[in-house]
Amino acid sequence: NAGVTQTPKFQVLKTGQSMTLQCAQDMNHEYMSWYRQDPGMGLRLIHYSVGAGITDQGEVPNGYNVSRSTTEDFPLRLLSAAPSQTSVYFCASSYKGVGYEAYEQYFGPGTRLTVT
Amino acid sequence: ILNVEQSPQSLHVQEGDSTNFTCSFPSSNFYALHWYRWETAKSPEALFVMTLNGDEKKKGRISATLNTKEGYSYLYIKGSQPEDSATYLCAPNTGFQKLVFGTGTRLLVSP
Repeated sequence: NAGVTQTPKFQVLKTGQSMTLQCAQDMNHEYMSWYRQDPGMGLRLIHYSVGAGITDQGEVPNGYNVSRSTTEDFPLRLLSAAPSQTSVYFCASSYKGVGYEAYEQYFGPGTRLTVT
Repeated sequence: ILNVEQSPQSLHVQEGDSTNFTCSFPSSNFYALHWYRWETAKSPEALFVMTLNGDEKKKGRISATLNTKEGYSYLYIKGSQPEDSATYLCAPNTGFQKLVFGTGTRLLVSP
């Protein structure tokens, strides 16, 4: 299994440009999430999905769009990049379980994005 | 937004020392408490997922306890080794795997 993969690893954008960060997992996990990591702050949830066709906002969703057309893929779109979106982005996935069961999240390697 | 606090922010110990860190969170509705280990230049990796009040987990020299009533969890490392050097993150799971992460405790173990 490749686990959770993310592309690209590094990206530099100019203010106003748009782009899509790719995330894929091959573990048949129902749950997928996008986080951003900024210095001095914990990982913050941007958007999450509980299954194909179902997405919802996390703590910091502004400026980002997501869709989940398949179980495997969960791309994150930056609509009009701003310097405040300079960050490291992590995608994660996990098994859904039954009822109140909770399972660990598996993280991708991250994408380091710089917006100038 | 849940406020998750981890202490200390950083810790420097000698090889062989035992150490512990704290994760504090409001004891409101959440379904589990996650601990992750994050090495520099890598991705976070799960250590424990704790779901019951009084739950205790152990993996080798690392163990964790959870008190949901008072809103805290402790992570213990017995006999620290240089390879334990990493940032340790905790995160309450507020449902649907919506994790709220603390800023972490950065551990450095010197030989």
